[in-house]
Amino acid sequence: QLQLQESGPGLVKPSETLSLTCTVSGGSISSSSYYWGWIRQPPGKGLEWIGSIYKSGSTDYNPSLKNRVTISVDTSKNQFSLNLSSVTAADTAVYYCARHAVASHYWGQGTLVTVSS
Amino acid sequence: DIQLTQSPSFLSASIGDRVTITCRASQGISSYLAWYQQKPGRAPKVLIYAASTLQSGVPSRFSGSGSGTEFTLTISSLQPEDFATYYCQQLNSFPPYTFGQGTKLEIK
Repeated sequence: QLQLQESGPGLVKPSETLSLTCTVSGGSISSSSYYWGWIRQPPGKGLEWIGSIYKSGSTDYNPSLKNRVTISVDTSKNQFSLNLSSVTAADTAVYYCARHAVASHYWGQGTLVTVSS
Repeated sequence: DIQLTQSPSFLSASIGDRVTITCRASQGISSYLAWYQQKPGRAPKVLIYAASTLQSGVPSRFSGSGSGTEFTLTISSLQPEDFATYYCQQLNSFPPYTFGQGTKLEIK
């Protein structure tokens, strides 16, 4: 059974970089033909797709965040990561990692990241 | 960007009711649409993908239809565990893979 688990700091200061890692177990990022993505959900609000990466390292980002987002993959560790720079309070959200193709069938449990000094 | 508009945003219904949620896309997305159910404090769970394919393990009271710009999610007979928030997502045109704003289904 595929499982995804987000990890990283729960508190980030304004103007700093938010960094999260998603560890995949029960399956290999490098042997599958899926995209691996990040989605976030501000408290009490809807879902926002941040971006995705393929095993080759090719990426797609939400244009609204493109200048601040970097997603990378480490197939040797079966992990992929999110960096979001210059954060503000508006970036406070639950961040999910997910595997997707025609839908996001597998999700991590989510991790709350709060931006505050 | 493709915009997805769900209606209604809030829905109050009773156990046993048949309910329908609509998702309209600002441009055609073929059948590249998924529906998710989210309960408080939990990650979304896929119910339907490719507009009408029921995800394995999802009860058959859930069904999806549509193509192009208009899609529907129908729950044929509401059960207590169905009260949640529902989202549609388009996976046709990227970036971004847009979500609808959500429909909160509450008990009447």
